[in-house]
Amino acid sequence: QQQVKQSPQSLIVQKGGISIINCAYENTAFDYFPWYQQFPGKGPALLIAIRPDVSEKKEGRFTISFNKSAKQFSLHIMDSQPGDSATYFCAHFSGYALNFGKGTSLLVTP
Amino acid sequence: DGGITQSPKYLFRKEGQNVTLSCEQNLNHDAMYWYRQDPGQGLRLIYYSQIVNDFQKGDIAEGYSVSREKKESFPLTVTSAQKNPTAFYLCATKEGVGEAFFGQGTRLTVV
Repeated sequence: QQQVKQSPQSLIVQKGGISIINCAYENTAFDYFPWYQQFPGKGPALLIAIRPDVSEKKEGRFTISFNKSAKQFSLHIMDSQPGDSATYFCAHFSGYALNFGKGTSLLVTP
Repeated sequence: DGGITQSPKYLFRKEGQNVTLSCEQNLNHDAMYWYRQDPGQGLRLIYYSQIVNDFQKGDIAEGYSVSREKKESFPLTVTSAQKNPTAFYLCATKEGVGEAFFGQGTRLTVV
């Protein structure tokens, strides 16, 4: 299975700071790169996704940056809030299923 | 109210016992998936089904079985051959190249 390498594994950010999570992928047949957010005991939910006809997509405080030549994409959370504390997964669509990174546990301190 | 329903929310299995996790969807999606989540391991694909009466093994299918007799249902059986079944199990659906929708999960514990 094609891999998605996600970093860092955990991240602590002060309230109001910027949280940055990175992912690197191998070759993929389909250009669709989502980020999922998961709270404890819940299923993941789509946060934001990008198709690489654009290099950046912004939705509120959340931004995806995409670098096709480097095969990397990243999630930026601006003005991070304690309510953003969760686990974040990047993924790519391999043709039949979404393959996920191992996740980043984000803690935003007050 | 559209969505994915997983049941039960918590499940306890005795050694050597088979258990079945339920996943029902009313989103009318063709594709359904089962993932296993362990701390620090991310989501690992167990089985997936693109269409009724057809399913494929994922990366960690050993010790698991599935069926897809109806479009809206994709139950997962954890057999006694699965030696380390304690985990959080997630069912998902998808339509084409786009968002995958997840259920709320079933936490399985061996007692």
